[in-house]
Amino acid sequence: GQQVMQIPQYQHVQEGEDFTTYCNSSTTLSNIQWYKQRPGGHPVFLIQLVKSGEVKKQKRLTFQFGEAKKNSSLHITATQTTDVGTYFCAGSDGNYQLIWGAGTKLIIKP
Amino acid sequence: ETGVTQTPRHLVMGMTNKKSLKCEQHLGHNAMYWYKQSAKKPLELMFVYNFKEQTENNSVPSRFSPECPNSSHLFLHLHTLQPEDSALYLCASSPRWGPNEQFFGPGTRLTVL
Repeated sequence: GQQVMQIPQYQHVQEGEDFTTYCNSSTTLSNIQWYKQRPGGHPVFLIQLVKSGEVKKQKRLTFQFGEAKKNSSLHITATQTTDVGTYFCAGSDGNYQLIWGAGTKLIIKP
Repeated sequence: ETGVTQTPRHLVMGMTNKKSLKCEQHLGHNAMYWYKQSAKKPLELMFVYNFKEQTENNSVPSRFSPECPNSSHLFLHLHTLQPEDSALYLCASSPRWGPNEQFFGPGTRLTVL
């Protein structure tokens, strides 16, 4: 079945450093969504990408959808303590279900 | 955020108990979902209801029984669970069934002894 692989599983960064998480699908996606889950919280929708090669920005967050619509990335510039949490991608191949990545946990080193 | 509420927030039960999880959404959405979240694993979709009709059942064991009396309420009835069923159970809703933005509740942290 369709899978969405997300790497890395964890990333430790110093505050102020950048952070990137990547998602790769075994099949072409019709769209991909990104969610953030704070520690002890629940997933919260960040953005949806639909077009091939699409790039969207939200302040320090940059989201990209690959040209082949099989991969996506989330990049955070100059991380802050408020960025701590787990970032999930979730893609759809045109069916009704979202296929979720396992998430990347962002940890800010003290 | 009070768009999707879940009760209880924490539940400890024995393997012979029967309990129910409740979810309510105040967003006017037509689709509701149950997910299981275990450590280090992707979110597992369990059930989907669209306009009160079950549209997905992802090979979930029969010890989990969903109920959707209307578009605003969703229940998950639990009986004779196993310790490996311990997890965070998340309810979500979306305007309609499909790959739309989903709004999650705070979850129920379930521990099966």
